[in-house]
Amino acid sequence: DIVMTQTPLSSPVTLGQPASISCRSSQSLVYSDGNTYLSWFHQRPGQPPRLLIYKISNRFSGVPDRFSGSGAGTDFTLKISRVEAEDVGVYYCMQLTQSITFGQGTRLEIK
Amino acid sequence: EVQLVESGGDLVQPGGSLRLSCAASGFTFSSYWMHWVRQAPGKGLEWVANINQDGSEKMYVDSVKGRFTISRDNAKNSVYLQMNSLRAEDTAVYFCARVSVPGSRAFDDWGQGTLVTVDS
Repeated sequence: DIVMTQTPLSSPVTLGQPASISCRSSQSLVYSDGNTYLSWFHQRPGQPPRLLIYKISNRFSGVPDRFSGSGAGTDFTLKISRVEAEDVGVYYCMQLTQSITFGQGTRLEIK
Repeated sequence: EVQLVESGGDLVQPGGSLRLSCAASGFTFSSYWMHWVRQAPGKGLEWVANINQDGSEKMYVDSVKGRFTISRDNAKNSVYLQMNSLRAEDTAVYFCARVSVPGSRAFDDWGQGTLVTVDS
């Protein structure tokens, strides 16, 4: 199975400042069709996850443009340009290239 | 409006069985793969199983193979997860989810989840 490793596991940030989360896969996520099925989710306590980004960098409908995704192969990054209070919670990366696996999650908290 | 509503979660003893249901509405259910994802208390997300549109293809995470069975009834717009030989480590909130954006392979619709507790 592909193992997804996120860093950091916890990220204290100041409101209005940028934040960045890394996700590394144990093997390339490039699928046979040329696409890379790497997604990012945000989850608040007691809520289901919410899709932010799919196929590395495609922002899902309704997601603010302060969220962006980048990367290729085995290394991927989620960036928040200016953190807002509603961004607190846990962020997960997920791959759907070979079976389906999630990263262990990164907790974003306000300093 | 798309809705996924899970039910069937309960407290069950180790070795017991439980059947979860996910009722879908607001979209053409028979056109979509459906998935179950679980989250143990205070832990991360784990994909459990999925099923294709007509139920002919099913996949499972290794830890549940031989114990869990996913199925669907397109006439009832529902997907199910039959869980047998339950273990303490199966304790989790179970979500059903779907991919709606063609070609995205990303879960963009989720239910609120149903809690399964395996404890004696």
